[in-house]
Amino acid sequence: NAGVTQTPKFQVLKTGQSMTLQCAQDMNHEYMSWYRQDPGMGLRLIHYSVGAGITDQGEVPNGYNVSRSTTEDFPLRLLSAAPSQTSVYFCASGPRNEQFFGPGTRLTVL
Amino acid sequence: GENVEQHPSTLSVQEGDSAVIKCTYSDSASNYFPWYKQELGKGPQLIIDIRSNVGEKKDQRIAVTLNKTAKHFSLHITETQPEDSAVYFCAAIRGVRGYNKLIFGAGTRLAVHP
Repeated sequence: NAGVTQTPKFQVLKTGQSMTLQCAQDMNHEYMSWYRQDPGMGLRLIHYSVGAGITDQGEVPNGYNVSRSTTEDFPLRLLSAAPSQTSVYFCASGPRNEQFFGPGTRLTVL
Repeated sequence: GENVEQHPSTLSVQEGDSAVIKCTYSDSASNYFPWYKQELGKGPQLIIDIRSNVGEKKDQRIAVTLNKTAKHFSLHITETQPEDSAVYFCAAIRGVRGYNKLIFGAGTRLAVHP
């Protein structure tokens, strides 16, 4: 199993650009989540999904969209990038309580 | 809402010493408390967890204790080694609309010096 994979590893955007961060898991997990990690703030939940077709907002959802058309994939879309979205983004999946994290995407918005 | 506080933010120890990281949580309904280790450039990795019906759990050099009355839990690493150097996060589970949401502490950067 590849576990949780994320692409790209690094990305630089200009303010106002849009992009999609990809996340895929091959463990048939129901639950998938997106977090952002900022210095001194731990990990904060952006959006999550409890199964295909079901998504909901976390703590910091503004400026991000998600969809879950399949069990395996959970892309995160930045609609109009802002410098405040400069962060490291982690996708996670799990059967319920336990979550397995991907390697992360480091995003810089200029 | 739920809040998890973690201390210290940085911890420096000599190889072979013990390291202790402490967390407190605010939601008395929380019932699952995992600990994650994050190495440089990688995602967090679960290293140990404890449920609310257990007071202590050990796995080789790592142990976690939970005091539900005081709402705090701690990670203990004995006989530390340089490869234990990493950022450690505690977390508490809060159920939200069928999803068990992890609330993370801010992290502790542990440095183990040879």
